Amino acid sequence: EVQLVESGGDLVHPGGSLRLSCAASGFTVSNSWMHWVRQAPGKGLVWVARIADYGSRTDHAESVRGRFTISRDNAKNMVFLQMSLLRAEDTAVYYCVRDFGGGDDSWGQGTLVTVSS
Amino acid sequence: QSVLTQPPSASGTPGQRVTISCSGSSSNIGNDNVYWYRQVPGTAPKLLIYKNIHRPSGVPDRFSGSKSGTSASLAISGLRPDDEADYYCVGWDAILSGYVFGSGTWVTVL
Repeated sequence: EVQLVESGGDLVHPGGSLRLSCAASGFTVSNSWMHWVRQAPGKGLVWVARIADYGSRTDHAESVRGRFTISRDNAKNMVFLQMSLLRAEDTAVYYCVRDFGGGDDSWGQGTLVTVSS
Repeated sequence: QSVLTQPPSASGTPGQRVTISCSGSSSNIGNDNVYWYRQVPGTAPKLLIYKNIHRPSGVPDRFSGSKSGTSASLAISGLRPDDEADYYCVGWDAILSGYVFGSGTWVTVL
């Protein structure tokens, strides 16, 4: 059974940093495109970043480019989102997604990041 | 303001057909595939339609997608009370180099 479990969400001050983790089971992250999608409280979905199943190609949304970095640890079968220079508008539930929009599309339960002083 | 435009709400009575529109541009819908997600509040989104018209296994054929030019639509036929949810369209934008979501449409079953 495919399972994605996010962790690392926390309350952080503006300008601070945080690393989110996504532990995968039931499949190998190195064989799938992996994504992060976020949702601010009471708001819609926003795509954040993706990492390719091959090599190290990554793409990041314009709103987080230069501040967030998606990465993968194949040995641990995990995906990460390193977030820095956090802003209030980054407050959201962050979902880890396998094969976004594809036949194996799967989502975790999400982890809450709150940026506030 | 979202790159893809959806109506904020739609409604119908049980058994009716409801259609949700998603309007974009030549850099997104007009250039690539459209996907549709459904989200019940408090839960993770679920993929309903991929590559414009295809349903993942397990999604009933009451849900259908279409695309024409820079617009796409999701139709729900045989509306049921448990279809009440937010529905989002999403596609890749070649200029932004990222996926862009619509703002979501809340469907109410009257």
